[in-house]
Amino acid sequence: EAGVTQFPSHSVIEKGQTVTLRCDPISGHDNLYWYRRVMGKEIKFLLHFVKESKQDESGMPNNRFLAERTGGTYSTLKVQPAELEDSGVYFCASSQDGGRNTEAFFGQGTRLTVV
Amino acid sequence: AQSVTQLDSQVPVFEEAPVELRCNYSSSVSVYLFWYVQYPNQGLQLLLKYLSGSTLVKGINGFEAEFNKSQTSFHLRKPSVHISDTAEYFCAVSVNSGGSNYKLTFGKGTLLTVNP
Repeated sequence: EAGVTQFPSHSVIEKGQTVTLRCDPISGHDNLYWYRRVMGKEIKFLLHFVKESKQDESGMPNNRFLAERTGGTYSTLKVQPAELEDSGVYFCASSQDGGRNTEAFFGQGTRLTVV
Repeated sequence: AQSVTQLDSQVPVFEEAPVELRCNYSSSVSVYLFWYVQYPNQGLQLLLKYLSGSTLVKGINGFEAEFNKSQTSFHLRKPSVHISDTAEYFCAVSVNSGGSNYKLTFGKGTLLTVNP
């Protein structure tokens, strides 16, 4: 069974450009999460989808970030326009349900560098 | 608010030595605690989790952790480490995000380096 897949693995863009990150969750997992780790800091929650609906987007930094999950399958996270402070590793995770004891399966992450 | 503190950012040890990675949490309600590991160039992988019941939890790769409510700790231990255990380890707590949905709050991570 394929795990959580993220594309691209690395992205280097200039300040002001647009970048779109993609996440393919494990098949059948209704819950999809985005997390981010800025250099030297902890991994922080960005948002949570249940199927195609945004359940919790309290961690999204600002309106330059747009996440979508059309059809409840893969998800995209677009940053437009990118700023220097957006650099970091973006992780996607998926789980069968969103309960407190559910194991979330993580992808390898996308390392975003804004220069 | 629930939070997690990992006291050590880096822990260097020699191969076959024991190791303890420290994690303390703060919570006013029952907690569900996790340890994740990130090997170089890989994603986060679940090592073990504490949900309820026995306070000593055994995980993969010979790791175990003990939930201590009075000390609000969930330290990770391994009696004898291998070079292949070199990785970054994250302690996390499950936090309610509304209704029956939960999200993870992570510590800053501890980089374990096992030297020959």
